[in-house]
Amino acid sequence: NAGVMQNPRHLVRRRGQEARLRCSPMKGHSHVYWYRQLPEEGLKFMVYLQKENIIDESGMPKERFSAEFPKEGPSILRIQQVVRGDSAAYFCASSPYSDTQYFGPGTRLTVL
Amino acid sequence: DAKTTQPNSMESNEEEPVHLPCNHSTISGTDYIHWYRQLPSQGPEYVIHGLTSNVNNRMASLAIAEDRKSSTLILHRATLRDAAVYYCILLATSYDKVIFGPGTSLSVIP
Repeated sequence: NAGVMQNPRHLVRRRGQEARLRCSPMKGHSHVYWYRQLPEEGLKFMVYLQKENIIDESGMPKERFSAEFPKEGPSILRIQQVVRGDSAAYFCASSPYSDTQYFGPGTRLTVL
Repeated sequence: DAKTTQPNSMESNEEEPVHLPCNHSTISGTDYIHWYRQLPSQGPEYVIHGLTSNVNNRMASLAIAEDRKSSTLILHRATLRDAAVYYCILLATSYDKVIFGPGTSLSVIP
């Protein structure tokens, strides 16, 4: 059973561009979480999704950030009009119906 | 806010046991105690979790106090690859968002 997959592993964007981060949960997992880790800081929760539903987005910035988890395909975290402060590592985690969360290797976003 | 308290850092000699403490005095009856670790430049890795009884797996052991207000993660023989930040976290269910505190940065000395 492959682990949580994230791509790309590294992403470079210029200010004002869009960043799209993908997360494929482990097989059989229908719960997906996104976390952000700013440089030299701890991990912060962003959003919790189930298939086609956003359950908790209390950690998402109000503007420019959106997330989806469609019926088919990976979960997408989209950041529009990126700024330098968006540079961070973004981690996705998944869980099945009743088990712990398993994290992916992360996408490291660098905004020039 | 994190509901657990851990030492900022600890050191251990290689091949010796390590006891990583965690205080969670406000734990509720339905909170599970989870431990994750994050190696440098990697995503968090699940280590172990428990509710009331002590737990063992291939990675570590988890000792939970009788009143559940504290717990200890035990690495039986530290290796250099165990150098990481260890997070003690309370989760009511696996659906809970994980609230990470600063964790304990473990250094392993050869």
